Amino acid sequence: DVKVTQSSRYLVKRTGEKVFLECVQDMDHENMFWYRQDPGLGLRLIYFSYDVKMKEKGDIPEGYSVSREKKERFSLILESASTNQTSMYLCASSLSTGTSGYNEQFFGPGTRLTVL
Amino acid sequence: AQKVTQAQTEISVVEKEDVTLDCVYETRDTTYYLFWYKQPPSGELVFLIRRNSFDEQNEISGRYSWNFQKSTSSFNFTITASQVVDSAVYFCALSALWGSNYKLTFGKGTLLTVNP
Repeated sequence: DVKVTQSSRYLVKRTGEKVFLECVQDMDHENMFWYRQDPGLGLRLIYFSYDVKMKEKGDIPEGYSVSREKKERFSLILESASTNQTSMYLCASSLSTGTSGYNEQFFGPGTRLTVL
Repeated sequence: AQKVTQAQTEISVVEKEDVTLDCVYETRDTTYYLFWYKQPPSGELVFLIRRNSFDEQNEISGRYSWNFQKSTSSFNFTITASQVVDSAVYFCALSALWGSNYKLTFGKGTLLTVNP
């Protein structure tokens, strides 16, 4: 079974802190994604990566950065956390074989981040 | 631009009722993929089904069935004889080319509550 794990289920940080959200997948997937989920807005893509050290901006990259030094790990970084970044953050991974659009994404359990 | 609309924000039914979740999508691509995901209260999104744009055959899996109609750009999901365990948020998603990569665009989700 594919397993995507996220470092924390719940996290509380102060405004201005640097925040690291970690995601690890164990199925050798090439693609990894970070989304945020807000009530009434669904899931919105922040960043994605289709290979080690590669990254692409999604729909809402402002205020975030990412790091992918190893294939299995994809980190989301909030350089200076703000209250409007309070949200549920979901990590996902998928294969890149064949037509990558075909492959389903596997999601982690999410990290609920509160910025005070 | 790609867009997915789930017009039903919340649906409440009584156990054993049939329920249909609507999904309408927009894309200019001729090759694309449609997905349904389930997000139970635990938070982790679970893949349910995928359809490619060239396959309009409907599918049935147990109590679940999906109706894909390109003519109306719809990919609706029906649960027959609903059960309390079906209570979840259901997301419809569209995978289509975005630049040189495929991007998954989610609808805002439909919260289904099945009451005993």
